[in-house]
Amino acid sequence: KQEVTQIPAALSVPEGENLVLNCSFTDSAIYNLQWFRQDPGKGLTSLLLIQSSQREQTSGRLNASLDKSSGRSTLYIAASQPGDSATYLCAVRPPSGGGADGLTFGKGTHLIIQP
Amino acid sequence: DAGVIQSPRHEVTEMGQEVTLRCKPISGHDYLFWYRQTMMRGLELLIYFNNNVPIDDSGMPEDRFSAKMPNASFSTLKIQPSEPRDSAVYFCASSSAGMGTGELFFGEGSRLTVL
Repeated sequence: KQEVTQIPAALSVPEGENLVLNCSFTDSAIYNLQWFRQDPGKGLTSLLLIQSSQREQTSGRLNASLDKSSGRSTLYIAASQPGDSATYLCAVRPPSGGGADGLTFGKGTHLIIQP
Repeated sequence: DAGVIQSPRHEVTEMGQEVTLRCKPISGHDYLFWYRQTMMRGLELLIYFNNNVPIDDSGMPEDRFSAKMPNASFSTLKIQPSEPRDSAVYFCASSSAGMGTGELFFGEGSRLTVL
């Protein structure tokens, strides 16, 4: 059974710092990996999606990498801003077919950017 | 597109009552997922559909939970009878296998409180 772990569980840093959030998964047979952001009381917003054949994806100040063989992904946030404060979740999707298409989520990293 | 639409956003009910949560997926998406989020357990997949057919309901906690998808634009998650331990945020999400990416889009969630 796939398990996803996110470290750290919580992180507080001053504004302007670059930071890295970590995600690890136990089964390297994945279809894709997706990073989400969740604000308090809100739904999940997709940030970046990396297909199993890709190594990284970038969107603005965000960069996500994937090392499938080692079961790891990182989310890099450059020049952090108070508006980046949220919970960041990592999720992996198994290979298509076989009836196992649901994402498995980590518990998330609660990020606070201090002004 | 309006995104995934869920209703109600908030529901407070008493133990023993029937609860029905509703979801309208993004038009053209052929996968629909129901997730439950709690502080203790994080996000858990309850059930998902492909082309309106339930594929995997192994995450449905008990027979008190049931889900239907009568057509491509509507799904319900029903709890009968409800119990206090069912209190959680229930998310609906959809994706399109045809797009190739399998990116998952979430609704804003339905926050259920059972007294």
